[in-house]
Amino acid sequence: DQQVKQNSPSLSVQEGRISILNCDYTNSMFDYFLWYKKYPAEGPTFLISISSIKDKNEDGRFTVFLNKSAKHLSLHIVPSQPGDSAVYFCAATEAPIKAAGNKLTFGGGTRVLVKP
Amino acid sequence: GAGVSQSPSNKVTEKGKDVELRCDPISGHTALYWYRQRLGQGLEFLIYFQGNSAPDKSGLPSDRFSAERTGESVSTLTIQRTQQEDSAVYLCASSTQRWLAGADEQFFGPGTRLTVL
Repeated sequence: DQQVKQNSPSLSVQEGRISILNCDYTNSMFDYFLWYKKYPAEGPTFLISISSIKDKNEDGRFTVFLNKSAKHLSLHIVPSQPGDSAVYFCAATEAPIKAAGNKLTFGGGTRVLVKP
Repeated sequence: GAGVSQSPSNKVTEKGKDVELRCDPISGHTALYWYRQRLGQGLEFLIYFQGNSAPDKSGLPSDRFSAERTGESVSTLTIQRTQQEDSAVYLCASSTQRWLAGADEQFFGPGTRLTVL
């Protein structure tokens, strides 16, 4: 069963407009949520994260919103730029317990295309 | 500075052969993770190393998969008797594991694309 789901496999947006990417999760033990961006033939790179004790985190053009009761988070990119064209992965992890690590559970990704 | 590196970048092998994938983490990163990404899917966790011990191997799909790590450096993921369903991109990530900062940022390598014919 998929514990993290990104229901939109792709998104096309005009340069300068807002991109909204959605992510849903089922595991109530998830405590920390992250967004990664991936270009072809490269590894994912960390973009922004949010702890479950917050409902919003902002970093420049990127804002992540968390609705814990709905088990839903979203990433807003505004304004969108052509360089933002990539695959975006939502990921979640449980609170670290001693040496148990921070294994990430990923969604299937959303491919974003920003048109000039 | 140097990031996470992986080799080979591409590997084509025949069904039934063994393959070995290598990961060089960022120097000083104590934590190392292996993930797998099948075509069109998200990344699946395979195994986690803290130093050279592996407290969490829960994602290894079968006993054909094994991994080891030398100290806090190189890790190798070995797949024995490869099957076509093993075809995927295998990604390695490392982190400093600073617990007080919440989930620590994992830095990913470019991956090894494995194709089993």
